[in-house]
Amino acid sequence: EPEVTQTPSHQVTQMGQEVILRCVPISNHLYFYWYRQILGQKVEFLVSFYNNEISEKSEIFDDQFSVERPDGSNFTLKIRSTKLEDSAMYFCASSEWSTGANVLTFGAGSRLTVL
Amino acid sequence: AQTVTQSQPEMSVQEAETVTLSCTYDTSENNYYLFWYKQPPSRQMILVIRQEAYKQQNATENRFSVNFQKAAKSFSLKISDSQLGDTAMYFCALSFGKLIFGQGTTLQVKP
Repeated sequence: EPEVTQTPSHQVTQMGQEVILRCVPISNHLYFYWYRQILGQKVEFLVSFYNNEISEKSEIFDDQFSVERPDGSNFTLKIRSTKLEDSAMYFCASSEWSTGANVLTFGAGSRLTVL
Repeated sequence: AQTVTQSQPEMSVQEAETVTLSCTYDTSENNYYLFWYKQPPSRQMILVIRQEAYKQQNATENRFSVNFQKAAKSFSLKISDSQLGDTAMYFCALSFGKLIFGQGTTLQVKP
């Protein structure tokens, strides 16, 4: 069964450092998403991406965050200068369409710990 | 604004018994979809079941079924014959393309 792959599974970084989280979406999917889950809290939408541009972003997705699809397979989330409150699980997801009917397939997540 | 509320932070059930997880939502849209996702200790989000808002018939997937009450904006998940592998956090989600999640309910299935 096709799956969304995320790397690294866990990253520890110092406050102020740049972090790049990587995702390989399902190959025939066109819409890509990043979600964040602070430990013990709900999963929050960060950004959606289609046709090489951001289609929607949340208030959380400020200037410290950026997304990119550098080649035909990877989808990355960059945090420019990490803060303690960026510590969370980051989930990548992809889907075939962007309507409400579409099922998002999630990756296993990347745990980010900011010290 | 669209919101999803899960009022039960934690629940437990004996193996083989039935449990119902509650979810309410708010939206002004007419066409939307509702989902239940499961997050086991491995942390991966796994789709459990999906309901289309324009369908009155409740969705069913094996041991999992929903009670969808559109007027009341309620979307509960019933798990029958609970198994130890059902132990997980369960998230209700409202979809307009992106997903809006509730706070989650941690379900513990006890042997």
